[in-house]
Amino acid sequence: ETGVTQTPRHLVMGMTNKKSLKCEQHLGHNAMYWYKQSAKKPLELMFVYNFKEQTENNSVPSRFSPECPNSSHLFLHLHTLQPEDSALYLCASSQDLDSGYEQYFGPGTRLTVT
Amino acid sequence: SQQGEEDPQALSIQEGENATMNCSYKTSINNLQWYRQNSGRGLVHLILIRSNEREKHSGRLRVTLDTSKKSSSLLITASRAADTASYFCATGLYNFNKFYFGSGTKLNVKP
Repeated sequence: ETGVTQTPRHLVMGMTNKKSLKCEQHLGHNAMYWYKQSAKKPLELMFVYNFKEQTENNSVPSRFSPECPNSSHLFLHLHTLQPEDSALYLCASSQDLDSGYEQYFGPGTRLTVT
Repeated sequence: SQQGEEDPQALSIQEGENATMNCSYKTSINNLQWYRQNSGRGLVHLILIRSNEREKHSGRLRVTLDTSKKSSSLLITASRAADTASYFCATGLYNFNKFYFGSGTKLNVKP
């Protein structure tokens, strides 16, 4: 256990559905991240939050909408997704927003868009 | 692209052998980290090496960094079947608060 939990672990949704991914960290960290991991591609950073404020949006399509109500919780709201959005979505946290801190990853949500 | 690129993409060895994975990157970095990922799971941090360090050890892991060649290597000594996983390097840039990950090396250790 890394101290970062993600729910659900698996999600199958149609292209017209709306769903949300949840991430919670119990480490007292200030920074949280969403990553997308597709087969045989580098891990893609999607969003970065620091003290609940979004500091990075890595040109992510608007069908992905993040929300960070507090430093411990991070959501990724999904709507009208495409089949190519099927991937493993990983949440991570770090003590602070500095590349010198290690990131702690959750187990991921395996998303399949049909 | 700044992304670290691991080499080889896949590596298969026998238990007890050493495994060496390499990472190359393109621009100056502040630090470099190695992570491990078991199939379909999250990444786990293994070791961080700063740009002013040349070598670092942690248990059976040995990491080297050559900033002149913009490359790093991860050596796992006396490998075990439980070491089977994908290994990623992540480069941290000075003044940039994010990492760039590569596509990973998939290591298979046969018992």
